[in-house]
Amino acid sequence: DSGVTQTPKHLITATGQRVTLRCSPRSGDLSVYWYQQSLDQGLQFLIQYYNGEERAKGNILERFSAQQFPDLHSELNLSSLELGDSALYFCASSVGGTIGTGELFFGEGSRLTVL
Amino acid sequence: QQPVQSPQAVILREGEDAVINCSSSKALYSVHWYRQKHGEAPVFLMILLKGGEQKGHDKISASFNEKKQQSSLYLTASQLSYSGTYFCGTGGNNNDMRFGAGTRLTVKP
Repeated sequence: DSGVTQTPKHLITATGQRVTLRCSPRSGDLSVYWYQQSLDQGLQFLIQYYNGEERAKGNILERFSAQQFPDLHSELNLSSLELGDSALYFCASSVGGTIGTGELFFGEGSRLTVL
Repeated sequence: QQPVQSPQAVILREGEDAVINCSSSKALYSVHWYRQKHGEAPVFLMILLKGGEQKGHDKISASFNEKKQQSSLYLTASQLSYSGTYFCGTGGNNNDMRFGAGTRLTVKP
């Protein structure tokens, strides 16, 4: 158990819909990272937040948005869903805001299926 | 900007050694290595920092060539539990963490 909690674990929805994925980082971690992993593919970096502020942005689509709240949990919002958005979405947390200073702790992921 | 890993896949017998390579086209601040077993979350193995500091696993070693922007992960005397997909992640000075496509390692008895 990494200490990072993601909900829901599984989600099935239809094209055009909107979903919200939630992540609670490890106690004491200030950074949250979001990654997308399509079937048997690598980890695509989406976005990073540090202590409530956006710190780094990757290949995140305009239909996707995220935020980190004062209690440090984070939400990833996916809208106008397409079949290609079906993937496993991982959240990871770390203590610091500068990458490389410590390891990332990954949650178990939220598996999104768009039908 | 995504690092390139090689090989894409490797099959070993228990006790054999393996090397997984990772290279980047941009200047690196750090290199991370993670292992992911099927259906599970990636798990940290090692960080190599610019300047030579290394933190990580006591049964796996790695190198980081800052000038060449390359890293290699060395798995010696492999065990069945080493099977999984290995990802290198590279951190630049803009604070993002991008992972390679992964190297699928299979260790057979």
